Amino acid sequence: EIVMTQSPGTLSVSPGERATLSCRASQNVKTNLAWYQQKPGQAPRLLISYASTRATGFPARFSGSGSGTEFTLTISSLQSEDFAVYYCQQYNKWPLTFGQGTKLEIK
Amino acid sequence: EVQLLESGGGLEQPGGSLRLSCATSGFTFSTYALTWVRQAPGKGLEWVSTMNAGSGNTYYADSVKGRFTISRDNSKNTLYLQMNDLRAEDTAVYFCAKDNSLHYFDFWGQGALVTVSS
Repeated sequence: EIVMTQSPGTLSVSPGERATLSCRASQNVKTNLAWYQQKPGQAPRLLISYASTRATGFPARFSGSGSGTEFTLTISSLQSEDFAVYYCQQYNKWPLTFGQGTKLEIK
Repeated sequence: EVQLLESGGGLEQPGGSLRLSCATSGFTFSTYALTWVRQAPGKGLEWVSTMNAGSGNTYYADSVKGRFTISRDNSKNTLYLQMNDLRAEDTAVYFCAKDNSLHYFDFWGQGALVTVSS
C-alpha cells in the first residue's frame, strides 16, 4: 500500500499570505496525484488532478506541483473561503490512498 | 448538473447489515467508474470500494473486503454498497463519488451517516 503523508497537520496563516502544503508518497506515483478541499459539514471537492491541473471553479491562486514522491499545493494569497482541510490522494496504484489531511486555519 | 445523493444510512448493531444507495443524474452513468469513500467522525478520508464501468471490475479496501459488496444498476443510474457484518469501526459518513475512470473523484455526494453501535 502506498502511504501518503501530509505536512504540516495544521497550518496557521493570515489572510493575504501564502500557504504551502506538502504531500509525500511512500512510492513513486508519477503525477497521479489529486488534491481535495473539504469545509466543515461538506463533501470534499476536487481541487487539483494530475498533480497540477486545477479543477473548474477554483481560482488561479491555487496551484499544484511535483511528481514522483513529493508534491506541493500552494495558495498564493489566502482568502477567507480558503480555510479548510486539504487532502492529497494517489491514484497510481490500488488501493487508492489519501493523506491524513492538512487543516488550514486563520492565524 | 452532476448530482449524487446517498441514502440508506442509519443506526445498526454490530454484526448487522445495511445497504447504501447513491442515486445519480447529470452524466452518462454507464460510462463512468463509481466509488465509495468514508470518513469516520473527526477523521480523514478512507477509500472503500470502486466499481468500473464497462468491465464491472470491483476493488475493495482490505478493511471491508469480504464484508462489503459494491454494485450498480445502470438502468436506474444508481450505485449501491451492501455492508454486512458491520463493526464499530465502520461508523462513518459514506460518500459516493463519480470516478473519472482514472480513479480520482470529480463529483461527490453529500454523504450518508452509518453508525454501528449496540
